[in-house]
Amino acid sequence: AQKITQTQPGMFVQEKEAVTLDCTYDTSDPSYGLFWYKQPSSGEMIFLIYQGSYDQQNATEGRYSLNFQKARKSANLVISASQLGDSAMYFCAMREGHSGYSTLTFGKGTMLLVSP
Amino acid sequence: DSGVTQTPKHLITATGQRVTLRCSPRSGDLSVYWYQQSLDQGLQFLIQYYNGEERAKGNILERFSAQQFPDLHSELNLSSLELGDSALYFCASSVSGGFGGDTEAFFGQGTRLTVV
Repeated sequence: AQKITQTQPGMFVQEKEAVTLDCTYDTSDPSYGLFWYKQPSSGEMIFLIYQGSYDQQNATEGRYSLNFQKARKSANLVISASQLGDSAMYFCAMREGHSGYSTLTFGKGTMLLVSP
Repeated sequence: DSGVTQTPKHLITATGQRVTLRCSPRSGDLSVYWYQQSLDQGLQFLIQYYNGEERAKGNILERFSAQQFPDLHSELNLSSLELGDSALYFCASSVSGGFGGDTEAFFGQGTRLTVV
């Protein structure tokens, strides 16, 4: 089974609108972390936001917020007031591990296109 | 700038050859992760080192090997290269190697390997 599922291959949004990128995850570990990354066409992976499984509040970083619904195992990224520079590939990732090991497992990504 | 440095940025080599990719983690980070990003496989975890020791292994081929040196920089060695090894290779670093310890993980800009 997929550990991280991003069901939207592509999303279109107009500038200044908000957009939600979906991510669901699958883990039996009670403690885990969820990460979102942005990959523009230049190729680098830019860390955006993190949510821990025990965090009581949804994470926010500037225009990025994470809508964390633990019971539904979802960690959707919300970008408010989209900008042209937000056009990129977005990846959701999960860190889980045991006995001191940890890796990041990535979803297949969502391509976001922001139009003027 | 994530603080993770990867060299070289681009590499073109012939089938059957061997190459070495280098990664310098962020100052203070003890863990280094290597990932391969290809169009058909997405982002695949290869291997993790923590403070010089191998911590976790993912889908790493036997032709590939890695190590982390006392100064914490890491090298990924790819040998007997095949056309299918063409990909973007990322290095990421984080502070801890333990479960639940990291709230961020930063990636380098990647090395784009083209095997011809």
